[in-house]
Amino acid sequence: GQNIDQPTEMTATEGAIVQINCTYQTSGFNGLFWYQQHAGEAPTFLSYNVLDGLEEKGRFSSFLSRSKGYSYLLLKELQMKDSASYLCAVSPDKLIFGTGTRLQVFP
Amino acid sequence: DTGVSQDPRHKITKRGQNVTFRCDPISEHNRLYWYRQTLGQGPEFLTYFQNEAQLEKSRLLSDRFSAERPKGSFSTLEIQRTEQGDSAMYLCASSTGVSYGYTFGSGTRLTVV
Repeated sequence: GQNIDQPTEMTATEGAIVQINCTYQTSGFNGLFWYQQHAGEAPTFLSYNVLDGLEEKGRFSSFLSRSKGYSYLLLKELQMKDSASYLCAVSPDKLIFGTGTRLQVFP
Repeated sequence: DTGVSQDPRHKITKRGQNVTFRCDPISEHNRLYWYRQTLGQGPEFLTYFQNEAQLEKSRLLSDRFSAERPKGSFSTLEIQRTEQGDSAMYLCASSTGVSYGYTFGSGTRLTVV
């Protein structure tokens, strides 16, 4: 079976750091993706991990441990515009998404 | 070519009517995917094509749903005899392969009344 778990909601303060965790169980693995989705809009690509370790891209970083079926997305120097849903997705042969984590950033 | 295009953006239909949505992928992308998303949930896989071949359909997809990609370019998703439970955002995405990021269109929001 396939299962992807992430927290439903998180809150944080502008300028802070937040870590969104994702655990997964899939029958195949070709990489783990993180997408950002603002309300009413399409998901947009943030990061891709296929090997263990940390990938850094500006204020956003993503970590993967394949042996533990675990990933996290780290957002630094939070801005109000970072308020959105963050979707963890695993690709066996197509993207399977978690339910998403709704992040609210407060001033 | 600036991205994945979906048409229409919004569709309101009466229960029992048929609706058809169109997706134009990025031209060099050979894979095309359809997803459905309801409020507070992540996108749910429906079906995907590699070129014109439909490679997989979700078990969640009833017989009322059909998708085509006749020439390996644009795709259509048809829902027959719509039900209120079909109300959702229908997202199309394209990519060049399994290990590459998907580019999503803006979606078609369907409301069945």
